[in-house]
Amino acid sequence: EVQLVQSEAEVREPGQSLKISCKASGYSFSNYWIGWVRQMPGKGLEWMGIIYPDDSDTRYSPSVQGQVTMSADKSTSTAYLQWSSLKASDTGMYYCARNFGDGLLSHLGYWGQGSLVTVSS
Amino acid sequence: DIQMTQSPSTLSASVGDRVTITCRASQSISSWLAWYQQKPGKAPKVLISEATNLQRGVPSRFSGSGSGTEFTLTISSLQPEDFATYYCQQYNTYRWTFGQGTKVEIK
Repeated sequence: EVQLVQSEAEVREPGQSLKISCKASGYSFSNYWIGWVRQMPGKGLEWMGIIYPDDSDTRYSPSVQGQVTMSADKSTSTAYLQWSSLKASDTGMYYCARNFGDGLLSHLGYWGQGSLVTVSS
Repeated sequence: DIQMTQSPSTLSASVGDRVTITCRASQSISSWLAWYQQKPGKAPKVLISEATNLQRGVPSRFSGSGSGTEFTLTISSLQPEDFATYYCQQYNTYRWTFGQGTKVEIK
């Protein structure tokens, strides 16, 4: 059974760094793209980017390019999303989701439970 | 980037109603469109992929149609558990985009 388990809720102050995780199981981690989707409070879904764990090929949405870094650790089957300097506007729920198929152009067939990030002074 | 526009933003309906949600793409995306359902406090769940392909385990009252730039999600007979927010998403190019969502409320 494919499972994506995300890290717990985090609270940080503006300017601090953060790395959240998405641990995968039940399939060959290296061979499926994993994407990140954010949802600001009370708002819709926004695609942030996607990473291919086998070679760390990463594609970012223009809206987050340079603001976040996506990475993947094949040894632990874990994908990461990190910020070096958080802003209050980064507050929201962040979901990891795996492509259903093994190609880049596929719908998101499996989702993590979400990681709530709160940035407040 | 390809823009996805859903309508309506909110829909009030009763149990048993037939409900249709529309999604328009700013350029052709062939059939590379998925529909997701999201309930409060939960992760989205895929209902339909490739515009018309019903996912395993999804009730047959859900159906999708369309290609190119115009797509619809239809719920043939709305059930209490269907009150949720629905999103379309294109994956024609790697810069995926979602529609803004349609909230289906109880009338």
